[in-house]
Amino acid sequence: ELKVEQNPLFLSMQEGKNYTIYCNYSTTSDRLYWYRQDPGKSLESLFVLLSNGAVKQEGRLMASLDTKARLSTLHITAAVHDLSATYFCAVDEYGNKLVFGAGTILRVKS
Amino acid sequence: GAGVSQSPSNKVTEKGKDVELRCDPISGHTALYWYRQSLGQGLEFLIYFQGNSAPDKSGLPSDRFSAERTGGSVSTLTIQRTQQEDSAVYLCASSFSYSRGQETQYFGPGTRLLVL
Repeated sequence: ELKVEQNPLFLSMQEGKNYTIYCNYSTTSDRLYWYRQDPGKSLESLFVLLSNGAVKQEGRLMASLDTKARLSTLHITAAVHDLSATYFCAVDEYGNKLVFGAGTILRVKS
Repeated sequence: GAGVSQSPSNKVTEKGKDVELRCDPISGHTALYWYRQSLGQGLEFLIYFQGNSAPDKSGLPSDRFSAERTGGSVSTLTIQRTQQEDSAVYLCASSFSYSRGQETQYFGPGTRLLVL
């Protein structure tokens, strides 16, 4: 059974600082997704990572995938308040069935 | 274009009643998924429809839960004899297909279900 672990579960950052969220998973998969969720809202797709070594960047967020280590990272550069949200990683177990991590609550303080 | 839509947005029901939740996927998307999000269990897969293939029901928590997809588009998730532990946000998602480059799942706003 695929298990997905995220850490940290809660992250309080100062504006302008850098930090990384980690996503570990327990069985082989070559599809990993990052989603963002604002309070009371649905999930917004951020990144799709489909191969070992894949790196994608959008604004202050950069995601990478190491399928051998079964690890993905979401790196935040020079955080701003607008990035405050909950971030989920999700791994494709099979047939596009996603198994989600518990989520990382990110709070960026001015 | 229009995203995934779900109705109702909120539903309050009494224990033991049946409820139906509706999902309209993005036009042209052949794959449709149901998940639920609760404080205790996080985000859980429930069921997956792909085209005309038999659905993957492996995530349904009990036989009180069922879903159908009519005409390859709209889907209805039905919960019979609701229990308090069914209270959650039920999210629907759709994607073009499972093929590489088309597999991203786009989520609807969800239905918040409260069972009293």
